[in-house]
Amino acid sequence: AQSVTQPDIHITVSEGASLELRCNYSYGATPYLFWYVQSPGQGLQLLLKYFSGDTLVQGIKGFEAEFKRSQSSFNLRKPSVHWSDAAVYLCAVVTTGGFKTIFGAGTRLFVKA
Amino acid sequence: GAGVSQSPSNKVTEKGKDVELRCDPISGHTALYWYRQSLGQGLEFLIYFQGNSAPDKSGLPSDRFSAERTGGSVSTLTIQRTQQEDSAVYLCASSPSSGVGYNEQFFGPGTRLTVL
Repeated sequence: AQSVTQPDIHITVSEGASLELRCNYSYGATPYLFWYVQSPGQGLQLLLKYFSGDTLVQGIKGFEAEFKRSQSSFNLRKPSVHWSDAAVYLCAVVTTGGFKTIFGAGTRLFVKA
Repeated sequence: GAGVSQSPSNKVTEKGKDVELRCDPISGHTALYWYRQSLGQGLEFLIYFQGNSAPDKSGLPSDRFSAERTGGSVSTLTIQRTQQEDSAVYLCASSPSSGVGYNEQFFGPGTRLTVL
């Protein structure tokens, strides 16, 4: 069965520091992968998505993610974190047929001054 | 333009009562999804609509849960005989289509359901 694992429940980084959030998926076919951010008062917003092609994808707000098939990973990165990035980040995979989305449990990011 | 809206934003009910949660998707979006997010948990897929049809109802937790969509637009999620474990935030999302394309889902603000 398809699954998404986000090993880190929460992460704390200093403002200006780099960030990497981990995501591992279990899926037999070519995955369709997404990262969403969930902020209080703003709901869920798509950061970026991977369907095919270049394994490094760019998203909004300076985020990027790299798809590594050999590691079944789709880690999210940002070179310099801003205080406004504090939120919950959710990794997701879309199953065959393109309608059922499996979400990870999320990683809560705390940013310290 | 208008995004996905959900009503009510908050609902407090007593155990055993029925509740209805409403979702208004973005106009023209043919695909509609319902998810449940329990405290500290990720999103749990409940059901998906393509138009008025629900090809996959496998995520509904029990037969107390049902959903319908009319006119290819508004959807209602109904929970009968609510239990305390039904307490969660119920999120609705819509997308222009499903299948090939794997479009972005646009999420509503959610309905927070509390069962006493």
